[in-house]
Amino acid sequence: GNSVTQMEGPVTLSEEAFLTINCTYTATGYPSLFWYVQYPGEGLQLLLKATKADDKGSNKGFEATYRKETTSFHLEKGSVQVSDSAVYFCALRDPQGGSEKLVFGKGTKLTVNP
Amino acid sequence: KAGVTQTPRYLIKTRGQQVTLSCSPISGHRSVSWYQQTPGQGLQFLFEYFSETQRNKGNFPGRFSGRQFSNSRSEMNVSTLELGDSALYLCASSPTTTSYEQYFGPGTRLTVT
Repeated sequence: GNSVTQMEGPVTLSEEAFLTINCTYTATGYPSLFWYVQYPGEGLQLLLKATKADDKGSNKGFEATYRKETTSFHLEKGSVQVSDSAVYFCALRDPQGGSEKLVFGKGTKLTVNP
Repeated sequence: KAGVTQTPRYLIKTRGQQVTLSCSPISGHRSVSWYQQTPGQGLQFLFEYFSETQRNKGNFPGRFSGRQFSNSRSEMNVSTLELGDSALYLCASSPTTTSYEQYFGPGTRLTVT
């Protein structure tokens, strides 16, 4: 079945540091890939997405590239801010399933210190 | 445009009771999905509805059920509550079943004592 593996957290960085959160996936066919972010006490917000190989999703300084050859979708940001502190989830959706079902990784908690 | 709303936001129930959670999708969205979030299992898919029809169901016991109304609002019900049902229940909506973006509500925090 489809699955997503994220790097274990928590991750603690200083402000302006470089961020990488690794994400790899296992799926039949060609899934769409997503990064969602969850701030304390809130639901999930879509951060970025990529729907086919070599697509790069980007938003708010975050980027991730859909790498079919390595089945990866790593999240990066060049300079994190305290306001980026949250839990980040990598997810996939198999469009061939005709379903909106998302399969999530376990999440990576990021704390950014001033 | 208003976002996805879920009611109630917090709920405390006793083992053996049943509970109904409600989700109102973004106006015009016809697809609603439900997820359970727990510290141990993470985010797990419960079910998905489109135009009042259940399109997909996750691996949960029959105590978990749901439905969708003609106005796309959805409810999920959990009967004979167990301690392990304590979780954040998230609802997500999207315009169709082929869209690439799902919009999540703030969730309902259910505590079973």
